[in-house]
Amino acid sequence: DQQVKQNSPSLSVQEGRISILNCDYTNSMFDYFLWYKKYPAEGPTFLISISSIKDKNEDGRFTVFLNKSAKHLSLHIVPSQPGDSAVYFCAASAKADQFYFGTGTSLTVIP
Amino acid sequence: EAGVTQFPSHSVIEKGQTVTLRCDPISGHDNLYWYRRVMGKEIKFLLHFVKESKQDESGMPNNRFLAERTGGTYSTLKVQPAELEDSGVYFCASSQGPIRSYEQYFGPGTRLTVT
Repeated sequence: DQQVKQNSPSLSVQEGRISILNCDYTNSMFDYFLWYKKYPAEGPTFLISISSIKDKNEDGRFTVFLNKSAKHLSLHIVPSQPGDSAVYFCAASAKADQFYFGTGTSLTVIP
Repeated sequence: EAGVTQFPSHSVIEKGQTVTLRCDPISGHDNLYWYRRVMGKEIKFLLHFVKESKQDESGMPNNRFLAERTGGTYSTLKVQPAELEDSGVYFCASSQGPIRSYEQYFGPGTRLTVT
């Protein structure tokens, strides 16, 4: 049973606008969350993380929001750039040293 | 510094054959992970080594899969005999320490196709 869900397989956004990628989880024990970015023929690369003691973490153009009561997190990219076009995976972890990944959302930023 | 490397990049084999995937982690990284992504689905954890010891192999699908990390350096993942449902992209990742505290670096993956 999938514990981390990304219900939007794809998203298209105009360059300069905001991209919002969503992720839902079912396991209330998850307390650490990450977003990874993946280009074709490459492995995922770490983008940004958030601990459950926070509800927001920002790094440049990337901000992750965590809503624990809704078991929902989102990644905001502002402003979106063509180089942001990639597949984005969210991942979650409970205490153990293991991550559960979502199915990914393919973001296309249109110039 | 070289990243995580995986060999081969692609492998096409017939059902019933054996395939061995190799992963070379970043030098000095004691933690090594294997993951698999079946087309369009989530990236699933397979197992975790700390040096040469299997820390967690709860994600291994069945006993047709055998992972080794002799000497605590590179790792191999053998599938024997391969079945159609084993097709997917196999990722290896490494980290200096626990991945809740240290960044995990992924290799480019091995795309396995079983026909």
